[in-house]
Amino acid sequence: EAQVTQNPRYLITVTGKKLTVTCSQNMNHEYMSWYRQDPGLGLRQIYYSMNVEVTDKGDVPEGYKVSRKEKRNFPLILESPSPNQTSLYFCASSFQGSLYEQYFGPGTRLTVT
Amino acid sequence: SQQGEEDPQALSIQEGENATMNCSYKTSINNLQWYRQNSGRGLVHLILIRSNEREKHSGRLRVTLDTSKKSSSLLITASRAADTASYFCATDGGITGGFKTIFGAGTRLFVKA
Repeated sequence: EAQVTQNPRYLITVTGKKLTVTCSQNMNHEYMSWYRQDPGLGLRQIYYSMNVEVTDKGDVPEGYKVSRKEKRNFPLILESPSPNQTSLYFCASSFQGSLYEQYFGPGTRLTVT
Repeated sequence: SQQGEEDPQALSIQEGENATMNCSYKTSINNLQWYRQNSGRGLVHLILIRSNEREKHSGRLRVTLDTSKKSSSLLITASRAADTASYFCATDGGITGGFKTIFGAGTRLFVKA
């Protein structure tokens, strides 16, 4: 089954404790992206990747890191999480960039206390 | 920066009625997409319309695009209770934004049985 998976689905952590949210897709898509969703603000893009070793900033990259060492995986790293990063995070992939439909993962709900 | 903005923010209708949602954006685009989200879950792609298209249909969905007004509308005909969800428009970054994806804040649709 074609899908995007994220782990963990729920995470509660404390300020400053490094964490990684994993994202994996099995569709051989070149494009992968991370978004955060906050009430009333829709989805905002954090980072995206056009292909292996190619990443670029979205609209809200501060406080996040990403890497794309393999085509199927695109982890999101929070080196020192803060309470304002409490949000619902989605990973997505598409065949080739924002010009094609994106497939979304189920989301990761992160709470930073 | 938010490019797509949906209107209205919320819409409540009776089953069988039509629902119309509008989206406006600020810069030139290559395509515009509509997504649906059920209650905090992952987004599901509905329809993509390219900048050289004016109208597109998919089942009970009709999307129009007016590039001169930088706006799009999504019409759901003969709505059902199962159409209750949030609907988002998304655009690519256009000439200056590259392969970014920019979502609007969404329209929450509630269809009463």
